[in-house]
Order: sequence, then structure tokens, then C-alpha cells
Amino acid sequence: GAGVSQSPSNKVTEKGKDVELRCDPISGHTALYWYRQSLGQGLEFLIYFQGNSAPDKSGLPSDRFSAERTGGSVSTLTIQRTQQEDSAVYLCASSHFGRGRGGNQPQHFGDGTRLSIL
Amino acid sequence: AQTVTQSQPEMSVQEAETVTLSCTYDTSESDYYLFWYKQPPSRQMILVIRQEAYKQQNATENRFSVNFQKAAKSFSLKISDSQLGDAAMYFCAYTGANSKLTFGKGITLSVRP
Repeated sequence: GAGVSQSPSNKVTEKGKDVELRCDPISGHTALYWYRQSLGQGLEFLIYFQGNSAPDKSGLPSDRFSAERTGGSVSTLTIQRTQQEDSAVYLCASSHFGRGRGGNQPQHFGDGTRLSIL
Repeated sequence: AQTVTQSQPEMSVQEAETVTLSCTYDTSESDYYLFWYKQPPSRQMILVIRQEAYKQQNATENRFSVNFQKAAKSFSLKISDSQLGDAAMYFCAYTGANSKLTFGKGITLSVRP
């Protein structure tokens, strides 16, 4: 079956521009996550959506970053007024929802979007 | 806050040999999950193996197995009969009540033919 799909695969933009990154999760997965992978910081959690609950935004590095998930499926991560330190690979993952003993489900990742800020 | 530590940045193994990748973690939670993910140059994070903290038995998936030492907060990955396709970055990861993954810095594994 189809896995997590992310677009674009690569994005080059000028400093100060806004960018939108898209994630299409595995069908039926109610949980969706965004992570950032950079040389200096490794893999960092950004934001987590679960069903209709309020998202966990605790990992967003600044108010220039925002994300939404429409209809419980596709998610868009938006970075406004991009800075050079935003250059990284942005990874999206999805999973079935589960919590606690026997619950936490493995996250399945997309191929990521490599964002380069000139 | 939970932390995951992978202290070895690189390792090398001869094809067909066995290699062990180390990982330690710190948490105050009692229920949690540990994972090893593989990331080849294609960038996609591929789940290798998963361990539930409440299970004493070590997880095994074909040539991959873990040594889970809960008291020591240690979670190492053993790869048996290493193959050229095993060359990649490997990340140890933790998830608990908040569902989000906390990753180690990763280790680059090379396989010598």
C-alpha cells in the first residue's frame, strides 16, 4: 500500500520567503507528526496531530512555524520569512493512535523535504 | 525530559560478521517504547525493530535483535550476518506518554565487502 508521501522532495528558496511543505499520511492513520533533521541539531520533534484534538506544538522553534491538518488527513507545514538556519530536511510521519501499555504504535516516515535557504 | 544517547558516531563491520550498536536513554516513565530506525541515503526512516518496556523478552526481527536492559536503561541493536545493504545511519528512539519520538544523534554504519 501507499506510504507517507511528502512534497516537494527538494525546495530551494531565498531568505525571507514563505514556504509550504506538504504531507499525505498513510490512509487510516489518525496521528501525524512533523520532525526536522539538521546537521547541528539532529532529529527534532516539531508538532503532533491526533484526530480532532488540539495539536501538540511544543517543538515548533519560533512563531514563524505553523502547521495545519485539514480533514484529519493532509498536513501542511508553513515557514514564514525563512532564515538560513531553517535549512534542513523536514520529515513527516504517521501512525495509528495508541497510548500506554501495548498502545504506542510505530511511526512510518516519508522521504522528507530537503529545504535549502539561500 | 527524556534523553537518548548514542555515543558512537561511526562503526564498521565486515560483511557476514556481527555488529552491535549501543544506545542508552533516560526517563522517569514506567511505560515506554524503544525503537531502532535505519536511514539510508534515500532519507526515508525505516523501522528496524521495536521494544515495549514492559516486556522482558528481547525483540527479534530476522537478523536484527536487541539487548534491552531496563535497569541500566540500555538498548543495543545487534545485526547478525551483516550485509552490504545494512550500511546506513541508525537511530535509537524513545516514545512514552506524549507519543512523540525522541531520537539519539545516530550512528553511521559501514559494511566492508
